[in-house]
Amino acid sequence: QIQLVESGGGVVQPGRSLRLSCVASEFTFSHYGMHWVRQAPGKGLEWVAVIWFDGNNKYYADSVKGRFTISRDNSEKTVYLQMNSLRAEDTAVYYCVRDRVEYIVAVNGLDVWGQGTTVIVSS
Amino acid sequence: DIQLTQSPSFLSASVGDRVTITCRASQGINTYLAWYQQQPGKAPRLLIYDASTLQSGVPSRFSGSGSGTEFTLTISSLQPEDFATYYCQQLNGSPLFTFGPGTTVDF
Repeated sequence: QIQLVESGGGVVQPGRSLRLSCVASEFTFSHYGMHWVRQAPGKGLEWVAVIWFDGNNKYYADSVKGRFTISRDNSEKTVYLQMNSLRAEDTAVYYCVRDRVEYIVAVNGLDVWGQGTTVIVSS
Repeated sequence: DIQLTQSPSFLSASVGDRVTITCRASQGINTYLAWYQQQPGKAPRLLIYDASTLQSGVPSRFSGSGSGTEFTLTISSLQPEDFATYYCQQLNGSPLFTFGPGTTVDF
């Protein structure tokens, strides 16, 4: 079935880097915008970043701009989140999420969510 | 940036109750609003998009309404599986797709 599987989470020291990956299956990955959304322990959802279906546009939440980079490899059906200069406040479950509609980024909701990968930033 | 508020932040209800949650945007967003349900320990689930369109597979007891700056999510008859946290998200075409703070529906 349609699925997103994240990996790459773990425990990392403040100031270090981590790269998350998300592999898609059972849909035409190259037709969809992809997002990362995170949730700190006991907190609400925070939208982090989006990448257009063709990779030509990328946008970030102010809280991660300049530190995180979203990218994708459509041939590998994978979206990435490179996280640099990590801070304690980046500790969260990170979800990879798909746009609901092909070629139209975000306006119609996000309909497929991965199970999440946990990032803990701690010394 | 567009900010969203939700009210109430916590709602105590019983099975069979009619429940209404409100989401307000800091500026007009047409109908570019989605609602999600998150049960403890699980990923969120899309319930409604375009403010009032039910996502495929979502029970018809869920409905959404509103446009501009004020939106509502209504559950017509609360079921045991509906006890969860609900989030709105604005999708106005701004490249920052913010979520509301959430409303927890509990006993």
